Amino acid sequence: DIQLTQSPSFLSASVGDRVTITCRASQGISSYLAWYQQIPGKAPKLLIYAASTLQSGVPSRFSGSGSGTEFTLTINSLQPEDIATYFCQQLYSYPPITFGPGTKVDIK
Amino acid sequence: QVQLVQSGAEVKKPGASVKVSCKASGYTFTGYFMHWVRQAPGQGLEWMGWINPNSGGTHYAQKFQGRVTMTRDTSISTAYMEVSRLRSDDTAVYYCARAQLYGSSWYFDYWGQGTLVTVSS
Repeated sequence: DIQLTQSPSFLSASVGDRVTITCRASQGISSYLAWYQQIPGKAPKLLIYAASTLQSGVPSRFSGSGSGTEFTLTINSLQPEDIATYFCQQLYSYPPITFGPGTKVDIK
Repeated sequence: QVQLVQSGAEVKKPGASVKVSCKASGYTFTGYFMHWVRQAPGQGLEWMGWINPNSGGTHYAQKFQGRVTMTRDTSISTAYMEVSRLRSDDTAVYYCARAQLYGSSWYFDYWGQGTLVTVSS
């Protein structure tokens, strides 16, 4: 199975900051990666798929990049409503479907 | 608009079964696979399996084979997920999620609101 790790596991930043989260895969997965946002108490929400394609309706301050084994999710100009946990998911190998452990983002 | 509405919270005793429903609206129910994902308190996301609403075909994660059953009723656009022989570590929020095929796997573009299942004696 392909394992995903995320770093950092927790970060605290100020409103307006640029925030970067990294997801690493245990083997190359081309661009087969998705990112989700989970606001506390809510269901996950799709942000990005195919490593860099923004899902319809997602604010443009979110962007994704990377291929192979290292990927990043960037939030340009962090907003209070971005307080959430962010998960990556590999789309390369099935079964199983695997997710990263999550990165919790908080506001300073 | 696409909506997935799940049934309400459940409290069950160890050894019992629970059946969670997921009613779809705003799209053709039989046109998209439905997956189930669970999340234990304070933990990450764990994929459980899928059902093809068109054919009724299913595939379960190895961990859940023999204990999970996914079904659907196309007449009411509803998917079901039943877990039997519940244990305390099955306490989790269970989500249904509409899947988009990508490559040889899926990503999930719409999720239900989640159903908390608590297993306690």
